[in-house]
Amino acid sequence: DIQMTQSPSSLSASVGDRVTITCRASQSISSYLNWYQQKAGKAPKLLIYAASSLQTEVPSRFSGSGSGTDFTLTISNLQPEDLATYYCQQTYGLWTFGQGTKVEIK
Amino acid sequence: EVQLVESGGALVQPGGSLRVSCAASGFAFSSYWMTWVRQAPGKGLEWVANIRQDGSQKHYVDSVKGRFTISRDNPKNSLYLQMNSLKAEDTALYYCATSEQSSSWSLKYWGQGTLVTVSS
Repeated sequence: DIQMTQSPSSLSASVGDRVTITCRASQSISSYLNWYQQKAGKAPKLLIYAASSLQTEVPSRFSGSGSGTDFTLTISNLQPEDLATYYCQQTYGLWTFGQGTKVEIK
Repeated sequence: EVQLVESGGALVQPGGSLRVSCAASGFAFSSYWMTWVRQAPGKGLEWVANIRQDGSQKHYVDSVKGRFTISRDNPKNSLYLQMNSLKAEDTALYYCATSEQSSSWSLKYWGQGTLVTVSS
């Protein structure tokens, strides 16, 4: 099975900061990597698919990059409503999610 | 408006069985792969199973193979997950979601989940 390792597991940043979350796959997954945002008590929401494609109606401060084994989700200009847990997901083999990164606002 | 509504979650004893359902509306259900994802209390997301549009392909996470069965009824716009030989570690909120091959199999639409609790 393909393992996905996210880092950090949590972070605290100020409004307006640039935040970077990384996801590393245990083997190459090409660009079969998606990112989700989950707010407390809510279902996950798709942010980025195919490593770098922004889902419709997702703010442009979210961006994704990477291919192969190393991927990044960047939130530029962090906003209070970005308080959430973020998950990566690989869909190259049997699907797996990263363990999540909890983003807190200072 | 796309809607996915899960139902059927309950408290069940270890070793028991349960079927959860997902009612879809607002989109062409028969055109989408469908997926079950679960989330144990306070934990992360875990993909459970998915099924092709016509039901001819099904895939499962290793931990549920042989115990869970995903199925669908396209005329009824419904997705199901039959869960047998339930274990305490199956306790979770079960979400159904759509997935599209054209967008890296991403999970675009999600329901709000149905809670399955396995406990004596």
